[in-house]
Amino acid sequence: AQSVTQLDSQVPVFEEAPVELRCNYSSSVSVYLFWYVQYPNQGLQLLLKYLSGSTLVKGINGFEAEFNKSQTSFHLRKPSVHISDTAEYFCAVSVYSSASKIIFGSGTRLSIRP
Amino acid sequence: DAGVIQSPRHEVTEMGQEVTLRCKPISGHNSLFWYRQTMMRGLELLIYFNNNVPIDDSGMPEDRFSAKMPNASFSTLKIQPSEPRDSAVYFCASSPARQGAGELFFGEGSRLTVL
Repeated sequence: AQSVTQLDSQVPVFEEAPVELRCNYSSSVSVYLFWYVQYPNQGLQLLLKYLSGSTLVKGINGFEAEFNKSQTSFHLRKPSVHISDTAEYFCAVSVYSSASKIIFGSGTRLSIRP
Repeated sequence: DAGVIQSPRHEVTEMGQEVTLRCKPISGHNSLFWYRQTMMRGLELLIYFNNNVPIDDSGMPEDRFSAKMPNASFSTLKIQPSEPRDSAVYFCASSPARQGAGELFFGEGSRLTVL
């Protein structure tokens, strides 16, 4: 079975500072990896995804993530955050052979201080 | 383009009452998912359909919960009878792909409060 661990439940940072949100996964087979963002009182929306190829994936709003197979990690980064990035971020995993079953981590709440 | 549409956005009901949540997926998407989000348990997959057929309902908490997808443009999640511990935000999401590489498109959720 697959699982996703987000190591930090909350991450406070100052505006314009860099941020890294950590995600580790567990799977015995190859996986697809995703980061989703949830703004207050809204549904989740896709930030970026890793399917294959280059291990550095760029997404919307200046976010990027790097797939590290040996570390089984898929950490999300942004070099300079803005107040508008305040949201909850979810890492997710799905398996190549599974019919669309996507498992989400517990989420990391990113709060930006001015 | 219309996204995933859920109704109602908010529902307050009393314990023991039947609750029906509705979802209209994005046209052309062939996979549909129901998730439940709570502070304690996070985002849980309840059930998902592919081409209107339930593929995995192992996340459905108990027999009080049921989901149907009578056609490609409509799905319901029913709770009967409802209990206070069912209070949560229920999300519907659709995806254009059968395999796991597909992006999920979420609705805005239905916030359920059971008194």
